[in-house]
Order: sequence, then structure tokens, then C-alpha cells
Amino acid sequence: SYELTQPPSVSVSPGQTARITCSGDALSKQYGHWYQQKPGQAPVLVIYKDSERPSGIPERFSGSRSGTTVTLTISGVQAEDEADYYCQSADSSGTYVVFGGGTKLTVL
Amino acid sequence: QITLKESGPTLVKPTQTLTLTCTFSGFSLITSGVGVGWIRQPPGKALDWLALIYWNDGTRYSPSLKSRVAITKDTSKNQVVLTMTNMVPADTATYYCAHILYSSRWGEYFQQWGQGTLVTVSS
Repeated sequence: SYELTQPPSVSVSPGQTARITCSGDALSKQYGHWYQQKPGQAPVLVIYKDSERPSGIPERFSGSRSGTTVTLTISGVQAEDEADYYCQSADSSGTYVVFGGGTKLTVL
Repeated sequence: QITLKESGPTLVKPTQTLTLTCTFSGFSLITSGVGVGWIRQPPGKALDWLALIYWNDGTRYSPSLKSRVAITKDTSKNQVVLTMTNMVPADTATYYCAHILYSSRWGEYFQQWGQGTLVTVSS
């Protein structure tokens, strides 16, 4: 099986920068995508193709890649950014979709 | 504007077959590069991909559920149907359908999601 590894939790104070990582061997060949999920709501795409931002997503959300790790960065975190964040990619052959285990972002 | 909505039973008994329908608007499943996927989320747990179907009738399934799941589409009705056999209590989850954008260069991602529907498996 193929896995994407995320830290279970990240905590930051308002105005600081939050960085959430997602690691997996296949990320050397596959793009990473990120979703935000607030309690009781459906996930929302916030970053696709490693670093592209969909229309309507604030500029404080950005993505990057280094080797087999993709990172979601939220600059100037706001209280409304408190949510679960999931990365998504595929196995190295591109056959199967995989989600990371999710990271709970807490804004202190 | 793309919208998707899941429909189906909220309660199924163990061993029964679950059938869920995703009705969508704002896109066509005959457009190249477009697909629809199903993802579930057990209460308090992570997202779990189940299956997807593409504009060209291509399908892919989670290897752990491949023997129990089937996905089909009806382009005339703008619907995608997921069936899952032999349901067990561990299948209790919110089931989402989502609009997919696909390319052989970047793979696929879920651009827009439905609101989800909670399915409980219990006798």
C-alpha cells in the first residue's frame, strides 16, 4: 500500500505562519493537493498541483515541494483557518488516489 | 457553478448492499479530463478514497475495497452511482462525491465536493 504521512496536529498563534507537511515516496513523481475541512463541512480544495491556488482561496495559503515532501503554508494565520487539513496524491504509478491522515490546525 | 449532491439511504443493515447516487450540475461527464469520485469519512477519522470514474468510462477503485465497490455513470441524467456490497458497521461514514479534474501530467484532484451523506450500518 501507499501512504502519505502528515503530523496529527499543528498549533500557532494568530498572525504567525503555520506549516503542514506531507511526506511520501511517490511524491517524487506525483503532485500533491491540499484540502481544508472545517467541522461539519465538506472538504474544500485550497492548493492543487503542489502550489496552485484556486480562485477564491486567500493569498495567505501557499504550497511548495522539496523532494518527497509537500508543504502547505498559511501565512498570517487567522482564527477562521482553524480546521483539519488533508493532503492528497497518488501512488507512484498514478493508479490509486491516496489521502494523508490529516492535520488538525489549532489557532491558539 | 459546479454543484454535487449525494442521495441514498441513511441506514442500512449489515450484509446489505448500499447504493448512493451523486447528482451534479455545472459540468459534463463527457468533457475530456473530467471525472467524479467517491470518498468516505468515518466519524472522527480521515478521508478515505473509494472509487472514481472518468469522462472516457475509465474507472479506478481503492485496492482495499475493489471486490465490494462498483461505480457507474449516466451522462444523460448527470448522475454517478456507487454500489457497495456486504456492508458492515465499520462502513459507517459520511460519503462524499466530488468533481475531478484529471491530466496525465498531474494526476487528479477533487475540485468541488458535495455536502456528503451520513450512512449508518446497524441492525
